[in-house]
Amino acid sequence: RKEVEQDPGPFNVPEGATVAFNCTYSNSASQSFFWYRQDCRKEPKLLMSVYSSGNEDGRFTAQLNRASQYISLLIRDSKLSDSATYLCVVYLNTGGFKTIFGAGTRLFVKA
Amino acid sequence: DVKVTQSSRYLVKRTGEKVFLECVQDMDHENMFWYRQDPGLGLRLIYFSYDVKMKEKGDIPEGYSVSREKKERFSLILESASTNQTSMYLCASSVLTGGHQPQHFGDGTRLSIL
Repeated sequence: RKEVEQDPGPFNVPEGATVAFNCTYSNSASQSFFWYRQDCRKEPKLLMSVYSSGNEDGRFTAQLNRASQYISLLIRDSKLSDSATYLCVVYLNTGGFKTIFGAGTRLFVKA
Repeated sequence: DVKVTQSSRYLVKRTGEKVFLECVQDMDHENMFWYRQDPGLGLRLIYFSYDVKMKEKGDIPEGYSVSREKKERFSLILESASTNQTSMYLCASSVLTGGHQPQHFGDGTRLSIL
């Protein structure tokens, strides 16, 4: 089983739709969580951090469920420019340094 | 804004060659990382460094080495390139703190080994 798992998609949605991605992690020592966005043939860029209390940035909302060991990303009112791959990232604090990237979920927003 | 610069966007080399990938960051970050990214596998950590002359193996260090002689520069070396090292290589940097800080990535180097 992978340490961080994401549905690879692709998710194909019309403009204006609401779409949600989940990401599950297996290690309970996981401490910090992030969503990154990666455009085709580009580098990953930080989208937002994920906090236990949940956090929102404009049309984007991230949630963390420690009991069930998953994080989610909700995108409201999807735009064409939201088309990208969304990477779930988990940081482990096990006495050593470890950051684990999910393989990503592809999103296509269509007019 | 943090700037992480990788020396080449595209690189084509031959099997058996020694290949150098260079990465420079301009924000005085302590941590630097080298990943490779392959379809369906996500980013896999090759090596990282948390200080000058310090290096730690990541998940897939075999066939690679690294060098960090200056804080701003982290080099990845393919000692004898093989076709299975054809991949996208991404360099990243981050601040060294007690808690986790996000990583900032370079544009990536798409390396093809023929």
